[in-house]
Amino acid sequence: GNSVTQMEGPVTLSEEAFLTINCTYTATGYPSLFWYVQYPGEGLQLLLKATKADDKGSNKGFEATYRKETTSFHLEKGSVQVSDSAVYFCALGGSNYKLTFGKGTLLTVNP
Amino acid sequence: NAGVTQTPKFQVLKTGQSMTLQCAQDMNHEYMSWYRQDPGMGLRLIHYSVGAGITDQGEVPNGYNVSRSTTEDFPLRLLSAAPSQTSVYFCASSYEGGPGHEQFFGPGTRLTVL
Repeated sequence: GNSVTQMEGPVTLSEEAFLTINCTYTATGYPSLFWYVQYPGEGLQLLLKATKADDKGSNKGFEATYRKETTSFHLEKGSVQVSDSAVYFCALGGSNYKLTFGKGTLLTVNP
Repeated sequence: NAGVTQTPKFQVLKTGQSMTLQCAQDMNHEYMSWYRQDPGMGLRLIHYSVGAGITDQGEVPNGYNVSRSTTEDFPLRLLSAAPSQTSVYFCASSYEGGPGHEQFFGPGTRLTVL
């Protein structure tokens, strides 16, 4: 079946540091890949997505590239801000209606 | 649009009690689902629906019932609450299923079972 493995946290960075959160997946067929973000006390919201190999999703300075050869979808941001502190979830959408989530990575950015 | 709404926001139950978590969306989405979020476990799918009158089980359905009588509403029923059901519950909806479609999440219901 489908599965998602993402970097365990927590991750603590200083403001303006470079961020990478690793995500790898196992799937059959041609899945779509997503990054969702959950701010404290809130539900999840879509950060970015990619629907086919070599696609790059981007939003709010975050980027991730769908790499079929390495089955990866790593999240990156060049310069994090305190407001980026949140839990980040990598997710996979398969041929049915279901999303398969990673366990989440807590990011804390200190001023 | 209000998006996806959930009530209540917080709930405390005693073991054996029953209750219904409400979920509604005003986006005319066909697909709706319920997830539970537990520390270190990510989100796990409980039940989902691909349209009014159609529901199916997800990854962790035991102890929960659902029904979908309208496009807008998708309530989740706990039949006899157990401490293992202490969790945060999220409802989500999307316009279509399939790989590329974004799911929109509600704000969650934090449930504690004593």
